Amino acid sequence: KNEVEQSPQNLTAQEGEFITINCSYSVGISALHWLQQHPGGGIVSLFMLSSGKKKHGRLIATINIQEKHSSLHITASHPRDSAVYICAVSRNQFYFGTGTSLTVIP
Amino acid sequence: EAGVAQSPRYKIIEKRQSVAFWCNPISGHATLYWYQQILGQGPKLLIQFQNNGVVDDSQLPKDRFSAERLKGVDSTLKIQPAKLEDSAVYLCASSPYGGDTGELFFGEGSRLTVL
Repeated sequence: KNEVEQSPQNLTAQEGEFITINCSYSVGISALHWLQQHPGGGIVSLFMLSSGKKKHGRLIATINIQEKHSSLHITASHPRDSAVYICAVSRNQFYFGTGTSLTVIP
Repeated sequence: EAGVAQSPRYKIIEKRQSVAFWCNPISGHATLYWYQQILGQGPKLLIQFQNNGVVDDSQLPKDRFSAERLKGVDSTLKIQPAKLEDSAVYLCASSPYGGDTGELFFGEGSRLTVL
């Protein structure tokens, strides 16, 4: 069983839709990270959070430490948001989910 | 601030050949990681360096993979001999501190195809 589970694995949305990607983890953590990976590209860190909520532009990340759960929300989705979104947790080392592949259709 | 630099971006080799990847982390970052990412999967840690010392290499296939960070700055990852299942993207990442406290910064990755 992976330490980090993401859902859904694949997601297709129409431009403008509100998107939610979920992440559950089973280990104690120091921080949770949301990462973005474009096809053929490297990985970019979107958020690092250990409590509450963070917002950057149209992206919002929340975490519930008691429930060991985090969500990444994208408001007013756009085709350029199409990418793989990876949840990772850090505790001495990093544990990665397998990613959610998002396609936003114009 | 320059990001994590990796080279080459792409490499195609035949099985049983050797290959080397290079990584230069963000200046001043003490921790350097090499990850292997197979298509459709999350990154898998191969080795973690803290300065020039190895912190974790438990998942590194040491019969064919080796990595070094001699001066605590840049690093090389070598595969010799390569197998078909080594086809993957090799990601280098750095962090100012250890895994508990630092944000992770990734390079663009080196995509290896073994024929």
